[in-house]
Formats: sequence, C-alpha cells, structure tokens
Amino acid sequence: GIQVEQSPPDLILQEGANSTLRCNFSDSVNNLQWFHQNPWGQLINLFYIPSGTKQNGRLSATTVATERYSLLYISSSQTTDSGVYFCAVERRGSQGNLIFGKGTKLSVKP
Amino acid sequence: GAVVSQHPSRVICKSGTSVKIECRSLDFQATTMFWYRQFPKQSLMLMATSNEGSKATYEQGVEKDKFLINHASLTLSTLTVTSAHPEDSSFYICSARDPGRVSFNSPLHFGNGTRLTVT
Repeated sequence: GIQVEQSPPDLILQEGANSTLRCNFSDSVNNLQWFHQNPWGQLINLFYIPSGTKQNGRLSATTVATERYSLLYISSSQTTDSGVYFCAVERRGSQGNLIFGKGTKLSVKP
Repeated sequence: GAVVSQHPSRVICKSGTSVKIECRSLDFQATTMFWYRQFPKQSLMLMATSNEGSKATYEQGVEKDKFLINHASLTLSTLTVTSAHPEDSSFYICSARDPGRVSFNSPLHFGNGTRLTVT
C-alpha cells in the first residue's frame, strides 16, 4: 500500500520561530490533507492540497505531486500551534481511505 | 463549510458492556461515512466504511461483530462497540465527504472524536 512518511517526528521551537514540516508519499494521490490535532484530540483540517500552494494566515502549504511530497510552513509560531501535525493522502481510486503519516509533534515554548 | 458532529466526546464504560457512538453530517447528506481509530500516541487508521442502506465494509483485521456499524439515514452513522474490553480503549473518529462537491476532489471532514475508556 501507499506509504506516508513525515519528518521530523518531533520539533521544539521557541515562540516566534518558523518551521517546515515535510510529508513524502510513495504513490499518486487524489487527495492530500494537512491536519492539526490539538491536545484534546480534535482534528483540525488545515489544508486540502493535492497540488499547488495555499496560504492561510501564518500557515502555508505546498504540494509537488510529481515529486510526491508536501511541505507545511508555520511562520511566527505561537504556543497554541503546539500539537501533532498529520499529513494524510488518499490514493487514486480509493474513496475515503485516508492514509495518515505518523505525525510531527510540535512543541512551541514561550 | 461541511460540518460533522460526533457524540459523545468522551465515554467510560465497564468491561463487557456496549457503547454506541453517533456521527452526523449537519449540513449535507453523506451516503458514505468513514470510521477511524487512533491508539494513544499513534496515527489514525481506517476501521470501516459505512454505506447508507447497505452493509459496512471493514478493513482487514477489524472484527465486524465487535464493531457494529449502522448507517440508517443520509445524515447519521453509528458505531457500536460490543462487549467492550480494555484493549478497545481508543479514540474513535468519523469522517465524511460532502457529495455536493466533486468526488475525489474535495476534502474529508472529521468529527471531534470520541475517547472511549473501558475499565
């Protein structure tokens, strides 16, 4: 099956710093989503980005589908950005079976 | 945007009892809903696909008799954990795609999840 690898697995930042999270996937995909899971478990959809670049405030994401990777940029990080960031992909021909990476655990220190 | 509501958010039950979790699409109809499970400090894994008016399809290794899924209407799917045991303790989360959008080209929307603890 399709493999989704996220890096780094853990990241500690000082408030105000910038960071880049990476997601590599092993096959062509219909769908790629980035999520933030907060300490209460709530899964927040950050981006739906099977290709191209999107920005939402301090967050932006880029997916290069031909090279099978996606990047999530966090600028001017805040303590509320702490949590686990998941990348998930949906293989072509599959409906609804999002394959999740293992996540990047981000801790932003004040 | 599309909203998926899940209830309860947290449940504690005794070993041997059954627990029902509800997943509703609030502003769209979902012929298909998806149930995921997340063990502590792990990623999410698809358990089963719930199909309105027909049987659910289960992923390999998921016991269909333990995890009963009913999708009786276009806005409601339920997951019942039967004869729960401590090893069933996990975070269960449902998702759906708004069929009003083009299939395969729209995001999956997730509920807030249910944290099940079996004592």
